[in-house]
Order: sequence, then structure tokens, then C-alpha cells
Amino acid sequence: GAGVSQSPSNKVTEKGKDVELRCDPISGHTALYWYRQSLGQGLEFLIYFQGNSAPDKSGLPSDRFSAERTGGSVSTLTIQRTQQEDSAVYLCASSMNSFYEQYFGPGTRLTVT
Amino acid sequence: KQEVTQIPAALSVPEGENLVLNCSFTDSAIYNLQWFRQDPGKGLTSLLLIQSSQREQTSGRLNASLDKSSGRSTLYIAASQPGDSATYLCAGRGGGLDSSYKLIFGSGTRLLVRP
Repeated sequence: GAGVSQSPSNKVTEKGKDVELRCDPISGHTALYWYRQSLGQGLEFLIYFQGNSAPDKSGLPSDRFSAERTGGSVSTLTIQRTQQEDSAVYLCASSMNSFYEQYFGPGTRLTVT
Repeated sequence: KQEVTQIPAALSVPEGENLVLNCSFTDSAIYNLQWFRQDPGKGLTSLLLIQSSQREQTSGRLNASLDKSSGRSTLYIAASQPGDSATYLCAGRGGGLDSSYKLIFGSGTRLLVRP
């Protein structure tokens, strides 16, 4: 594709509900990353995929957060039992491999009410 | 552990002025450093990527430098325009094999170019 795409662009959910955020990386990019941008914390790394494997999940804030990647392409970030502190913009990026320039998607703005 | 700091947090300049944004990092074993632009409510647009073996990169009116020994990078914007108004973020990628993929971001400089 032309760039990294993410859906939905905005998501409002009630506290306690589960949400799924989707990322479509640039075609051919083997590395995929999730970051979170919140008012108090700035931009922080969540998880990295190389192919379908996630060698580093160290940035996931709690066990309510999980992510998967299938077919070396689309990735889904799932947040279970959402809390108000999960409200943030979730950004996805991809790169040709882990050493190359990262290209970011437009983000999903999540609001937990 | 890599930490990235950006100064100033905000900057307001008149149109046409040349300006410098600063970024400092704590771990000189940096693999590369990337500058991004973020418009309100939008994602990140990559501006320049400097590899650790390079000292600077140029794209149009933008010039970014990297000095590993002092732990600093600067983004120079020539002849600023109102359309340059945005938040500018720098991000360093660590040199260790287990962290070379992870971008560590500064908190950004919010730039306003006044007509």
C-alpha cells in the first residue's frame, strides 16, 4: 500500500469493554511496531514484531494488552477491560526490517469513558 | 538506558526566520536518529534519518546534524514558513542488538511560525 493505515481512526468505548485496533503496514515491511502517545507520558514503545513473532513485548503496560500479527502483515492490538488511563493515541509503524526507517500510520484515538 | 530530551518545549518565530531545534540523548551508542513532524491530530511524518556513521542529512530547507560524542542532534529550518508550524519530535534508536529496533522519543518542540 501507499502507507501505513490504521482503523478505526477514533474509538470511544465504555470502561470495562474490550477494544481491537488494527494496523496495515506498508507492503513488504517485515517489522511492525506499536507505540502509544498520551498527554502525560509522551510517545512510548509498546511492542515490536518481526514477521509474525514478537521478540519484545516489554512495553505493554499490563496483561490486559495483547497484540498479534498474521501473515506477516496485518496486526491487531487488543485491550481488554479498558480503563480510563488507556485513553491515548495508538500509533503503528512499519519498516523494511528492524534497522531501517520507521514509517508511521495516522493513529487511532481511543477514549475510554 | 537511552533518554532523549528536546529543548525548547515551544518556540514562536516570525516568518522567514532561520531556526534551530535541539535534541540530546544519553547513550552515545546510538544506531540512528530520526526527526519527525506531527501536525495536530495527525500521525508522525518522517523528515530525516541520520545514521550513526553520518554527521548530517539535508532535505530541502531542513538540515539535521548528529554529534555522537556530545550526545546532540540539531534540526535546522531555513527561511521558516507558517506551514512549518507543527510539533517536531526526535527519536533515537539504541545501539544494542536487543534495542536497535526501538525508537526512544523526546517530548517534542511545538513550533509556531507567525505570518
